[in-house]
Amino acid sequence: GQNIDQPTEMTATEGAIVQINCTYQTSGFNGLFWYQQHAGEAPTFLSYNVLDGLEEKGRFSSFLSRSKGYSYLLLKELQMKDSASYLCAALDSNYQLIWGAGTKLIIKP
Amino acid sequence: ETGVTQTPRHLVMGMTNKKSLKCEQHLGHNAMYWYKQSAKKPLELMFVYNFKEQTENNSVPSRFSPECPNSSHLFLHLHTLQPEDSALYLCASSQDLPDRAGEAFFGQGTRLTVV
Repeated sequence: GQNIDQPTEMTATEGAIVQINCTYQTSGFNGLFWYQQHAGEAPTFLSYNVLDGLEEKGRFSSFLSRSKGYSYLLLKELQMKDSASYLCAALDSNYQLIWGAGTKLIIKP
Repeated sequence: ETGVTQTPRHLVMGMTNKKSLKCEQHLGHNAMYWYKQSAKKPLELMFVYNFKEQTENNSVPSRFSPECPNSSHLFLHLHTLQPEDSALYLCASSQDLPDRAGEAFFGQGTRLTVV
């Protein structure tokens, strides 16, 4: 079956760095996506990886290892507004997104 | 208006009622999706439309009936729902399948409560 695993909840301190891990098992693979969802709001696209390596976009970076079925989202210089759920999703061979349950990130002052 | 707009934002309905959820996108996308989001569970893909044609129906019960009259509008018709259908229903759109399928733009969702 297809499965995405990520931690349920993480806590970090304002100004610090946090890494949210995601492992995936899918039928085929066409890319790994990270979305951010603030409470009561729509998910918004953050990043996309299809090749191994690190993609950097400002304070956020995303890493992919296809051989290990593993990705992480790295958030630097954390701000209170980064408190949200972070959703990991893999695009399978049918080009359907398979979603994780999301990681709720709590930022403390 | 821009982006993806869903109405209503909140809906309470009885198990014998019939209601419809509406989604409209102003992004020029040709693919539209209905998702169900329940607390602490992964997003569940319900239906996919590409160029107004339904391409996926992920074993969704017939009490949920989608309609896509054109590439900008998507409806989800609801009838004789069960309490376990209470959830956040999200509409999304993306550029043409399959290349841009992963970069989806979501509406704010309809919070549905079945009583």
